[in-house]
Amino acid sequence: DIQMTQSPSSVSASVGDRVTITCRTSQGISSWLAWYQQKPGKAPKLLIYAASILQSGVPSRFSGSGSGTDFTLTISSLQPEDFATYYCQQTNSFPPWTFGQGTKVEIK
Amino acid sequence: EVQLLESGGGLVQPGGSLRLSCSASGFTLSNYAMNWVRQAPGKGLEWVSTISAGGGGTYYADSVKGRFTISSDDSKNTLFLQMNSLRGDDTAVYYCAKDMSYATLIGQYGMDDWGQGTTVTVSS
Repeated sequence: DIQMTQSPSSVSASVGDRVTITCRTSQGISSWLAWYQQKPGKAPKLLIYAASILQSGVPSRFSGSGSGTDFTLTISSLQPEDFATYYCQQTNSFPPWTFGQGTKVEIK
Repeated sequence: EVQLLESGGGLVQPGGSLRLSCSASGFTLSNYAMNWVRQAPGKGLEWVSTISAGGGGTYYADSVKGRFTISSDDSKNTLFLQMNSLRGDDTAVYYCAKDMSYATLIGQYGMDDWGQGTTVTVSS
């Protein structure tokens, strides 16, 4: 199974800050990575797929990059509605699909 | 508009069974791979099971293999998860989630639509 490691586990940031979250995989997955946002009590929401393609309706302040084993999710200017937990998921090797442990973006 | 509505969760004793349902609208279930993903209280996301587009393939996490069965009823456009021999570590919110890729046995673009989740609590 492909192991996923996200860092940091949590980050405190202010509105307007640039936030970067990293996801590392235990083996190369080309660009087969998705990012999700989850708010408390809600279902996850797909933000980015294939490492860098923005899902329809997702604000352009979100961006993804990377290939191989190292990936990043960047929020260019943090907005109040962006405070949430973010998960990466590898979509290269199945079964199983595997997720990172999550990164909580908190208000500073 | 795509909608996924889970039901069937509840409190069950260890060793018991539950059947979760996920009623789909706005798309034809059989045209997409469908997934169950769970989240234990305060924990991250865990993939549980997938049924391929067309229903020809079923896949399970090691943690549920032999105890859970995924299926679908095309006439009702509904996905199911039969859960037997339930254990305490099966306690979680269970989400059904639609694969993004149309008419692909197993897609590689992630899950683009999710239900609101149904809570399963296994406790005596």
